[in-house]
Amino acid sequence: EDQVTQSPEALRLQEGESSSLNCSYTVSGLRGLFWYRQDPGKGPEFLFTLYSAGEEKEKERLKATLTKKESFLHITAPKPEDSATYLCAVQARAGGSYIPTFGRGTSLIVHP
Amino acid sequence: DGGITQSPKYLFRKEGQNVTLSCEQNLNHDAMYWYRQDPGQGLRLIYYSQIVNDFQKGDIAEGYSVSREKKESFPLTVTSAQKNPTAFYLCASSWGFAEAFFGQGTRLTVV
Repeated sequence: EDQVTQSPEALRLQEGESSSLNCSYTVSGLRGLFWYRQDPGKGPEFLFTLYSAGEEKEKERLKATLTKKESFLHITAPKPEDSATYLCAVQARAGGSYIPTFGRGTSLIVHP
Repeated sequence: DGGITQSPKYLFRKEGQNVTLSCEQNLNHDAMYWYRQDPGQGLRLIYYSQIVNDFQKGDIAEGYSVSREKKESFPLTVTSAQKNPTAFYLCASSWGFAEAFFGQGTRLTVV
């Protein structure tokens, strides 16, 4: 069964303290891995798509990387406004279709 | 502005009542999805539709119904058979295997 596991569940950082979030997946034939940011009471906001092992994407203080078994979201010198829940998803097979299947997310709090 | 619009933002349901959540997109996406989000549970798939007039059950479809009469619209009805409907509901759409884009959600509360 296709599965997505995110760790840690929660992460507290001081402003400027770099760290990484993990997303491990088991899926037959990866069609895409996605990272989203979600603020409280709002819909997830798309950040990155990764398609193949070795691929990397960057946006401001965020950098996403992909291996054959997992993806990392690296946060460099975070600021309090980076506080949010970060969700990982993969395209998982459902019958003849592929459906975005999500992990439970990592709740990040950055203290000033 | 292209995007996904969900309405209402807040919805209150009485016991035994059916309620319908609206989802409209103008991104010309073929696929649309409904997810339910509970604290600590992540996003769980309720229903999805790949084309007009066709839809499939997700992992937690019991007590819900949908329709897809137009490409732009994918309304979700929470029926009285859904015994624990209080949750945050998210609608999304995508094209092919590309990333899904989400609406701002509807928070449903049973009163």
